[in-house]
Amino acid sequence: GAGVSQSPSNKVTEKGKDVELRCDPISGHTALYWYRQSLGQGLEFLIYFQGNSAPDKSGLPSDRFSAERTGGSVSTLTIQRTQQEDSAVYLCASSSMTGGTEAFFGQGTRLTVV
Amino acid sequence: AQSVTQLDSQVPVFEEAPVELRCNYSSSVSVYLFWYVQYPNQGLQLLLKYLSGSTLVKGINGFEAEFNKSQTSFHLRKPSVHISDTAEYFCAVSELVGKLIFGQGTTLQVKP
Repeated sequence: GAGVSQSPSNKVTEKGKDVELRCDPISGHTALYWYRQSLGQGLEFLIYFQGNSAPDKSGLPSDRFSAERTGGSVSTLTIQRTQQEDSAVYLCASSSMTGGTEAFFGQGTRLTVV
Repeated sequence: AQSVTQLDSQVPVFEEAPVELRCNYSSSVSVYLFWYVQYPNQGLQLLLKYLSGSTLVKGINGFEAEFNKSQTSFHLRKPSVHISDTAEYFCAVSELVGKLIFGQGTTLQVKP
């Protein structure tokens, strides 16, 4: 597709379950970001991949959160033992390179932990 | 480490009035600056960006922003707003090589 694709668009899970969120970036984009958007909290940086470099995981809120990017393309964000405070919209973005290039965002995955 | 502060969480304004959304950043190195907009129930899209050169940057939908290095600011302005400008606006910063960091967002509420 032409844009960043995220799946699922909505996910409801029970507290304590693991979830996986998927992001398909724009083809050829080397940089990929994950952000979390909670009500009134803005866009919280989670993790950033750039090419073959080690990812910048400095934004992950706890060791329950992890992400990988396979083959420099598709990325999966995994949240283990979900908690209610994990409820948010998880946004993925990609860009052709770092620095001054535009990041293109997906529509997000709305995660609700009940 | 870089950071972004958007000084107003909400800005109410009447239609056809001018508006300024404030953004300040901190960084120890040169940065690139961006404004993104998120319309209700939609994804984020780029309004404008500053990379280098002229400090006044023009974007889509009649918005512009001015980079002020001495004040470390990148305020967004529009001389006359429309109802359709009602949205969440995010200021963001990135260094030459590195992640994109966003501010907390400013909700622009345009009233008829």
